[in-house]
Amino acid sequence: KQEVTQIPAALSVPEGENLVLNCSFTDSAIYNLQWFRQDPGKGLTSLLLIQSSQREQTSGRLNASLDKSSGRSTLYIAASQPGDSATYLCAVLMDSNYQLIWGAGTKLIIKP
Amino acid sequence: EAQVTQNPRYLITVTGKKLTVTCSQNMNHEYMSWYRQDPGLGLRQIYYSMNVEVTDKGDVPEGYKVSRKEKRNFPLILESPSPNQTSLYFCASSFGLSPGELFFGEGSRLTVL
Repeated sequence: KQEVTQIPAALSVPEGENLVLNCSFTDSAIYNLQWFRQDPGKGLTSLLLIQSSQREQTSGRLNASLDKSSGRSTLYIAASQPGDSATYLCAVLMDSNYQLIWGAGTKLIIKP
Repeated sequence: EAQVTQNPRYLITVTGKKLTVTCSQNMNHEYMSWYRQDPGLGLRQIYYSMNVEVTDKGDVPEGYKVSRKEKRNFPLILESPSPNQTSLYFCASSFGLSPGELFFGEGSRLTVL
């Protein structure tokens, strides 16, 4: 059964730092992997989607990579800002049945 | 404006009283799905639908029903709610028969007493 793990569970860094969030999964038979952000009391916003055939995707200060064979993805945030404070979740879509399996998230705090 | 709309946003009900949480999207998306989010357990998929009249169970379908009679609507039905269904529920949709970028509703917080 697919398991998705995000480390660390929480992270606090000063504004301006570059940082990396990690997502690992146990079953490499995935269709795609998606990174989301969730603000308190709000829904989820999709940040980046990586298809299984892709290695990385970029959007502004965000870069997500995917290494399917090792079961890992990273979300790189450049020049962090207080507005980046949120919980970041990754989710993998299974190839076999299109079920979406979620990590527990990393709670990120950017200190001004 | 492209959006996924859930109603109600907040609901307190009692055990056994049937309820329906509606979900509607205006983006002509084929794929729709429901999730629940619980502290310490994260998000778990309840049901999903790849098109009209096609629905499949996710990780935690017990105690829930869904229907997909029209492309835009995907209601979540709790026939006989129990306290362990107290949770934050999210509906999401995506273009295509398999999900790409997912668009989420703002969530429905349900309390079952």
